[in-house]
Amino acid sequence: GQQVMQIPQYQHVQEGEDFTTYCNSSTTLSNIQWYKQRPGGHPVFLIQLVKSGEVKKQKRLTFQFGEAKKNSSLHITATQTTDVGTYFCAGSSTGFQKLVFGTGTRLLVSP
Amino acid sequence: DTEVTQTPKHLVMGMTNKKSLKCEQHMGHRAMYWYKQKAKKPPELMFVYSYEKLSINESVPSRFSPECPNSSLLNLHLHALQPEDSALYLCASSQISRNGEQFFGPGTRLTVL
Repeated sequence: GQQVMQIPQYQHVQEGEDFTTYCNSSTTLSNIQWYKQRPGGHPVFLIQLVKSGEVKKQKRLTFQFGEAKKNSSLHITATQTTDVGTYFCAGSSTGFQKLVFGTGTRLLVSP
Repeated sequence: DTEVTQTPKHLVMGMTNKKSLKCEQHMGHRAMYWYKQKAKKPPELMFVYSYEKLSINESVPSRFSPECPNSSLLNLHLHALQPEDSALYLCASSQISRNGEQFFGPGTRLTVL
């Protein structure tokens, strides 16, 4: 079945440093979504990418969708303590409702 | 209202009990989902309802029985669960469209003794 892996599993940065998480799917995706889950919380939608090579920005966050639509990345510039949480990519290849979540990257930011 | 609500927040049940989890949304979404999330793991899709009909069942054991009584409500009936079923159960909803941003509820933390 479809598998979505993320690296790294965990990253601890100092506030102000940059952070990147990478997402790789075993199958070609029709779209990819990114979610953030704070400790003790639930996933919250960040963005959706649909087009090959698409790049979207939200303030300090930059999202990319690979040309082959099998990988994606999330880059955070100048992290803040409010960025703490687990970042999940989630892709669908067999129907947009059937999301497969990536393994997640847990981000810890020290002040 | 952009909120998905779930009750109860916490549930402890024995292996012979029958219980139900409830989920409600008033965003007019016609797709609703159940996910299971174990600690430090990603959410795993269990069921999808589209227009109140079950459209996806990810080979979930029959001890989990979903129900969608109307477009705003989603239930998950639990019977004869195992300790390994202990997890956070998340409900989500979305529009029926390719822009399928999913809105998640806070979840029910289930412990099976």
